[in-house]
Amino acid sequence: AQSVAQPEDQVNVAEGNPLTVKCTYSVSGNPYLFWYVQYPNRGLQFLLKYITGDNLVKGSYGFEAEFNKSQTSFHLKKPSALVSDSALYFCAVRDMFDTGRRALTFGSGTRLQVQP
Amino acid sequence: IAGITQAPTSQILAAGRRMTLRCTQDMRHNAMYWYRQDLGLGLRLIHYSNTAGTTGKGEVPDGYSVSRANTDDFPLTLASAVPSQTSVYFCASSPFPLAGYNEQFFGPGTRLTVL
Repeated sequence: AQSVAQPEDQVNVAEGNPLTVKCTYSVSGNPYLFWYVQYPNRGLQFLLKYITGDNLVKGSYGFEAEFNKSQTSFHLKKPSALVSDSALYFCAVRDMFDTGRRALTFGSGTRLQVQP
Repeated sequence: IAGITQAPTSQILAAGRRMTLRCTQDMRHNAMYWYRQDLGLGLRLIHYSNTAGTTGKGEVPDGYSVSRANTDDFPLTLASAVPSQTSVYFCASSPFPLAGYNEQFFGPGTRLTVL
């Protein structure tokens, strides 16, 4: 079985400061990892993914995420937060050995609030 | 504009009524999915389809059914709605289901309230 944990319901950060949104995962084999963002009353938008290779993945809107296999983590980061980054962020995982559903398992989401 | 459309945008439904949520994509993606989003629970998979003509059960399939007659459409039916099915429903699609690392594209969602 695969699972994702986002330990923080909400993260507050001042505009211009770095931000981190935490994610840990559990899979039987090797993970495919994703981050999505959801703005109010909208569907989820893809930010970035880790499949293999470099542990630091760069994505849309200046976001990046670092894959850490030993800590089973995939934290989302941004060097300088913007007010417009305020949204709900979801981490998701798929076990590469899941040849059936091939669907993602999502975390419960973390609300990011960036104060001006 | 390429993407996923869902209808209706929102609906209030009496318990016991039958309801079909519509989902259409024009990206020619093979795989499609239905999720429900509930506060504090994230998104949970209801049903999926890896290709036209096939469907499968996700984490929370009870009370829901789907069909995949063609590539573009993936309707979700609630045969007899119950209040616990009050949720926001998202349809998603993904290319090349054999390559599981492709990201999913999401529709705008349907907000369903069952009274």
